[in-house]
Amino acid sequence: GAGVSQTPSNKVTEKGKYVELRCDPISGHTALYWYRQSLGQGPEFLIYFQGTGAADDSGLPNDRFFAVRPEGSVSTLKIQRTERGDSAVYLCASSPSTAADYGYTFGSGTRLTVV
Amino acid sequence: LAKTTQPISMDSYEGQEVNITCSHNNIATNDYITWYQQFPSQGPRFIIQGYKTKVTNEVASLFIPADRKSSTLSLPRVSLSDTAVYYCLVGEGANNLFFGTGTRLTVIP
Repeated sequence: GAGVSQTPSNKVTEKGKYVELRCDPISGHTALYWYRQSLGQGPEFLIYFQGTGAADDSGLPNDRFFAVRPEGSVSTLKIQRTERGDSAVYLCASSPSTAADYGYTFGSGTRLTVV
Repeated sequence: LAKTTQPISMDSYEGQEVNITCSHNNIATNDYITWYQQFPSQGPRFIIQGYKTKVTNEVASLFIPADRKSSTLSLPRVSLSDTAVYYCLVGEGANNLFFGTGTRLTVIP
């Protein structure tokens, strides 16, 4: 597609359940980023992939969060034993390169609500 | 990681030029300055990026003084549809990660 696609757009889950959030980056973009945005705040970095490998996962809040990008394209963010504090919009972005002369293209996000 | 400081909010009337200034005193030699715009229920959208002096595109201009410790995003003749949150980021490539809380611009009819 022309842009970054994220599915589902909305997800409501019960506390303690497992969820997967999917990101389809722009074709050919080697860099992929996950961010989390809480109401009234700016996006907060979670993890960054260069190709298939996680180049920086320092933003993942704890070991309940995990992300993969097995073929260097689609990425899945996985959250185990969800907590109400995990409720936020999860944003994915991709870039042709990690070079600073490219901006990131963001998807519209997945709004996760943990009840 | 260079942090940025922006005004929390700004109001402007339609048709006026809006200038949003961002401070980044700890900017590093290899850092670029990037601005994003975000509407409700959407991801941030890239507006403009620069390293020094002035950059202009069809949407905005970015002014960067010689010491690069600040930058100013200039939006000419704003319309109601420019109401959004504007983020200033400083960093190099994958380090360009810190969004902060941004500046909430409200354009008034």
